[in-house]
Amino acid sequence: SYILTQPPSVSVAPGQTARITCEGDNIGRKPVHWYQQRPGQAPVLVMYYDSDRPSGIPRRFSGSNSGNTATLTISRLEAGDEADYYCQVWTTSGDPYVVFGGGTTVTLL
Amino acid sequence: QVRLQESGPGLVRPSHTLSLTCTVSGDSTSSDEYYWAWMRQSAGKGLEWIGRIYTTGATNYHPALKSRVTISLDTSKNQFSLEVASVTAADSATYFCARDHRGFDVWGPGTLVAVSS
Repeated sequence: SYILTQPPSVSVAPGQTARITCEGDNIGRKPVHWYQQRPGQAPVLVMYYDSDRPSGIPRRFSGSNSGNTATLTISRLEAGDEADYYCQVWTTSGDPYVVFGGGTTVTLL
Repeated sequence: QVRLQESGPGLVRPSHTLSLTCTVSGDSTSSDEYYWAWMRQSAGKGLEWIGRIYTTGATNYHPALKSRVTISLDTSKNQFSLEVASVTAADSATYFCARDHRGFDVWGPGTLVAVSS
């Protein structure tokens, strides 16, 4: 089975940059989507196809994907960015299905 | 504005079948642009994809759940549904429905389902 590995937590000072990684075998060959989930709320799509931002997502959010690592970058971190972040891909071996990373909690120092 | 809303029992007995419905407004389940999906999240845990359905009725399921899960579509009611058979405590979770279009771009608020006698 395909496994996506994320760091459990990332702590960043307000105004600084948070980088959330998602590691998987040759993940650079797969489109990656990212979700933000605040406590008690449903996830929100913040990045699709590696680096495309949905309408309404600030330009402070950016994404990249190459080799074995996809990265979601949040610049000028704000209090409202504190949340859990999940990466997601489709597996294509056999019947296709979705895999999520384990999630990364972003907190402000 | 597209909205999804889950509904169904909050408590299911072990070995019974969990049944949930997702009602879509502001969009059509007959659209050939999207799939419609179910996910779940156990308390304090990560997200798990359950499966999805297309307007034709074509489905994809997570391999670990495939033997117990059925997703169906009722375009006349603009709804799609989830059934999970033979549930155990491990199926207790918040269940989300979502539109699958360039990622899961619209989600319902989620509904909490507990499996307990």
